[in-house]
Amino acid sequence: QVQLVQSGAEVKKPGASVKLSCKASGYTLTSYVMHWVRQAPGQRLEWMGWINPDNGNTRYSQKFQGRVSLTRDTSASTAYMELSSLTSEDTAVYYCARDHPPDGFGPWGQGTLVTVSS
Amino acid sequence: SYELTQPPSVSVSPGQTAIITCSGDDLGEKYTSWYQQRSGQSPVLLIYHDSKRPSAIPERFSGSISGNTATLTISGTQVVDEADYYCLSWDTTTSYVFGSGTSVTVL
Repeated sequence: QVQLVQSGAEVKKPGASVKLSCKASGYTLTSYVMHWVRQAPGQRLEWMGWINPDNGNTRYSQKFQGRVSLTRDTSASTAYMELSSLTSEDTAVYYCARDHPPDGFGPWGQGTLVTVSS
Repeated sequence: SYELTQPPSVSVSPGQTAIITCSGDDLGEKYTSWYQQRSGQSPVLLIYHDSKRPSAIPERFSGSISGNTATLTISGTQVVDEADYYCLSWDTTTSYVFGSGTSVTVL
């Protein structure tokens, strides 16, 4: 079955960067766009961007433009999300989610908790 | 920036119908999807393209659109349906936007 397995929890200091992974199984990574979504404690879901693993094309939310980078390694069936210049406001659970054409997101990874603290 | 507004909470008795709304400018001209997020878990796609349901989702979940309001209906609500529910749509300026979320309590 289709499964997205994300990397483990991270603790970072303010100003640092974090790179998270999302390994896909049960389908070919290049067949579907991958989205990244985050959720701060007690807050709503927030879309960060997407990557087309087939050609590497990306689109980012204006909120994260310049601070987020989505990449992929097709040989490893893995998508990556790197977020730089972290602040405490970036403390959140980060999810990858496969595109469900034409307009849905699913399935989702299990999420990765990123804690930013000095 | 584009916003989608949902009621913060909805309470329903087991077996009754829960109705969750999602309102946004020109929402009727876009497509809306819906997600269930149980406590401590990842979201699950319930409805896409306003009213289509993935094969694994129970028939008691249905979606509709009228004007600029999308609606998620849970018929015969069960205790296991207690969760947060989010709508999602797309805007040309802000790309994807999630609604503010609705907490459904079954009691």
